[in-house]
Amino acid sequence: SAVISQKPSRDICQRGTSLTIQCQVDSQVTMMFWYRQQPGQSLTLIATANQGSEATYESGFVIDKFPISRPNLTFSTLTVSNMSPEDSSIYLCSVASGGGNTIYFGEGSWLTVV
Amino acid sequence: AQKVTQAQTEISVVEKEDVTLDCVYETRDTTYYLFWYKQPPSGELVFLIRRNSFDEQNEISGRYSWNFQKSTSSFNFTITASQVVDSAVYFCALTMNQAGTALIFGKGTTLSVSS
Repeated sequence: SAVISQKPSRDICQRGTSLTIQCQVDSQVTMMFWYRQQPGQSLTLIATANQGSEATYESGFVIDKFPISRPNLTFSTLTVSNMSPEDSSIYLCSVASGGGNTIYFGEGSWLTVV
Repeated sequence: AQKVTQAQTEISVVEKEDVTLDCVYETRDTTYYLFWYKQPPSGELVFLIRRNSFDEQNEISGRYSWNFQKSTSSFNFTITASQVVDSAVYFCALTMNQAGTALIFGKGTTLSVSS
């Protein structure tokens, strides 16, 4: 299994500011995934982060709004830029382990934008 | 296209009742993996089970059991003798064979168990 730590766990942010979420894994993984879960909704994939290359974004998500870094095989960051109340969500980091067949999640980062 | 449907939005039961959460999936791939996750009010996603498309055996883990039927593209989850601590949102999800392929989630079923 993989243990994933996310920081911050919760934050209240001012409109127009940016916040960076960190994701640390206890083992080396090739792919890391960032999901968003808006209030009362299911999870939506934002992007896939592969070490050493640009992240791949899903439709509706752009790098200027959600820049991602992946400096090594155990760490990634997601920045939510120029936040608005619509960005209030849980942001979750995820990794594939066991040959990609078991997928684990961090505890999530609850962001509230006021 | 791949899709996961959880038709039950909310279910309410009384403690000790059995409850089944439905999951129907769509995929053209012959190899795929199905998951169930539990999301308690604290927000973290707790992994419950992974099942690959070649293993149709039902699985039981304590009060939890899963019924995988490829003929109906369903992967249903049953909680026996439900408890208040089972109250959570439950998500069914699908991923393809390739390592590192992201999950496709259903919309989730909110289970409320009252005492």
